[in-house]
Amino acid sequence: ETGVTQTPRHLVMGMTNKKSLKCEQHLGHNAMYWYKQSAKKPLELMFVYNFKEQTENNSVPSRFSPECPNSSHLFLHLHTLQPEDSALYLCASSTGTSVFYNEQFFGPGTRLTVL
Amino acid sequence: DQQVKQNSPSLSVQEGRISILNCDYTNSMFDYFLWYKKYPAEGPTFLISISSIKDKNEDGRFTVFLNKSAKHLSLHIVPSQPGDSAVYFCAASAGDSGAGSYQLTFGKGTKLSVIP
Repeated sequence: ETGVTQTPRHLVMGMTNKKSLKCEQHLGHNAMYWYKQSAKKPLELMFVYNFKEQTENNSVPSRFSPECPNSSHLFLHLHTLQPEDSALYLCASSTGTSVFYNEQFFGPGTRLTVL
Repeated sequence: DQQVKQNSPSLSVQEGRISILNCDYTNSMFDYFLWYKKYPAEGPTFLISISSIKDKNEDGRFTVFLNKSAKHLSLHIVPSQPGDSAVYFCAASAGDSGAGSYQLTFGKGTKLSVIP
């Protein structure tokens, strides 16, 4: 596998379920990100990890819980979600956390539907 | 309140002609701008960027123009090819003077269709 991979690609869950999204990057990057893209809205940054440490939490509700066990893996644990949380969740990685000449590489996303 | 706006949800262009995608921003602290391209079922991929110290950056068929006074940037694709059909996202960052140099603020995207 190369680049940034995400599993599962599609997920349907009930509001009482607990599920996890997984992201893996094979690029040797140090920074990883979770983004959310809701219908007809721009991509919104959720969390940033740099060298496994969380450096940003963009006022994300606690029903979303990120985990970064190492620089190559990033998880997003989901519990008691709401239907409005249905969206495309994108993972990205970059060499460092400066955007200057240091673009972010995105995975294909997980399409989440909350019933 | 959207800080990065792409007012055209879609654009159709004939193959071989120029495609011009526009982006406006409101935050005067933004000093670095990027364009990403996204095909269906794939994540966005980086296309080209420009720093606020420049007004033009060119990479092959892709040129980005920045007009700081108008808070406007545009992406020109010449000549357009059917493989360029995708959604194009404009993104901006406030760099070291703003909320964090990794913080990208995205527009909603413009879907480009290049007709053979």
